[in-house]
Amino acid sequence: DQQVKQNSPSLSVQEGRISILNCDYTNSMFDYFLWYKKYPAEGPTFLISISSIKDKNEDGRFTVFLNKSAKHLSLHIVPSQPGDSAVYFCAASAMDGTASKLTFGTGTRLQVTL
Amino acid sequence: DAGITQSPRHKVTETGTPVTLRCHQTENHRYMYWYRQDPGHGLRLIHYSYGVKDTDKGEVSDGYSVSRSKTEDFLLTLESATSSQTSVYFCAIRPGQDNSPLHFGNGTRLTVT
Repeated sequence: DQQVKQNSPSLSVQEGRISILNCDYTNSMFDYFLWYKKYPAEGPTFLISISSIKDKNEDGRFTVFLNKSAKHLSLHIVPSQPGDSAVYFCAASAMDGTASKLTFGTGTRLQVTL
Repeated sequence: DAGITQSPRHKVTETGTPVTLRCHQTENHRYMYWYRQDPGHGLRLIHYSYGVKDTDKGEVSDGYSVSRSKTEDFLLTLESATSSQTSVYFCAIRPGQDNSPLHFGNGTRLTVT
């Protein structure tokens, strides 16, 4: 049962345009959401996060939006740059008193073209 | 890489052999995790540790065991490797408080023939 879903395996965007990556979740206990970026042969690196008490968090070119009622979050990258080409993973966690175990989506491969 | 070293980086082994992957951190963080990454599945949690000798199972723990005898080292053992365990394995640490982002190592690519 995939609790975090990224339904678009790939996305191609022109340089300078907006990239929108989407993520849906099913577990209503999730209260913290993150986006990771992964280059080939490297580990995932943290990009941006959002708590369930917020609906938007912005960091430079990256903005994450959370719609709790729809159990949906999205990552906006604007303007997109060639260096943004990578696989992006959405992740979620629930406070369970022990460890912040992240549940990941399947990833979306973003290609930013010139 | 947030002070995380995974070894080996690549390994090829035969079905039925035991394999141990090592994760070493330099910053004495309490929480450590092992994930595997497979196409179509994203990253899935195998085991995690919340202190020396304190470990617990993740969602795909069958066929794996872990040990943490020192704060800095978290070992993942495949007791009898199978082809379904061919994957890329990532170790992660949690450097901050609850819900702080995990930091990942660069992974170990394991092939079981």
